[in-house]
Amino acid sequence: TVMTQTPLSLSVTPGQPASISCKSSQSLMHSNGKTYLYWYLQKTGQSPQLLIYEVSSRFSGVPDRFSGGGSGTDFTLKISRVEAEDVGVYYCMQTIHVPWTFGQGTRVEIK
Amino acid sequence: EVQLVQSGGGLTQPGGSLRLSCAASGFIVSSTYVSWVRQAPGKGLEWVSAIDSGGTTYYADSVKGRFTISRDNSKNTVYLQINSLRVDDTAVYYCLRLTRWGQGILVTVSS
Repeated sequence: TVMTQTPLSLSVTPGQPASISCKSSQSLMHSNGKTYLYWYLQKTGQSPQLLIYEVSSRFSGVPDRFSGGGSGTDFTLKISRVEAEDVGVYYCMQTIHVPWTFGQGTRVEIK
Repeated sequence: EVQLVQSGGGLTQPGGSLRLSCAASGFIVSSTYVSWVRQAPGKGLEWVSAIDSGGTTYYADSVKGRFTISRDNSKNTVYLQINSLRVDDTAVYYCLRLTRWGQGILVTVSS
């Protein structure tokens, strides 16, 4: 399953919104009704950290300025107001089809 | 608190072997999926392998037949045995439960 993220880089003014798209080459919906699409942020020199699981559920401790949405094959991560601590590379990942696959990553920087 | 502590990386020659360990705390490794993901220098994330709660194992085509994932329930630890190493296996290897990643460990394959 090919995961295609756009854009590959994003320069955002603090306080402004940002949006990242992730499109999959096939549906990520399981027969149980769940959709296994995750969003991670990898800050420089760190391990990736989970932001969003199953399309739209915010992980514990993740600020509510992060939100996820979409269905089927089209998904979006939105940051309502970007802060300096949000810089890094964002990845989407699917875990319904083996091999699990990641998007190419979207680098977010602050203007 | 969920934690994954990795060990076992290092420098090896092409054709060599290493065993990576991932010691878990805060959860039982046999109760859920545990996976390995790698990141070549300056590159994105690549899923490598996973083991599910029933012990079924999954591999990326690029490592099938060379890598073996296993676990020791008594030690609450997951392993990745990596054999027939190639230069392009050079990467930081992460173990993860989907909600939490280990610190990563560098595997360098060079003559």
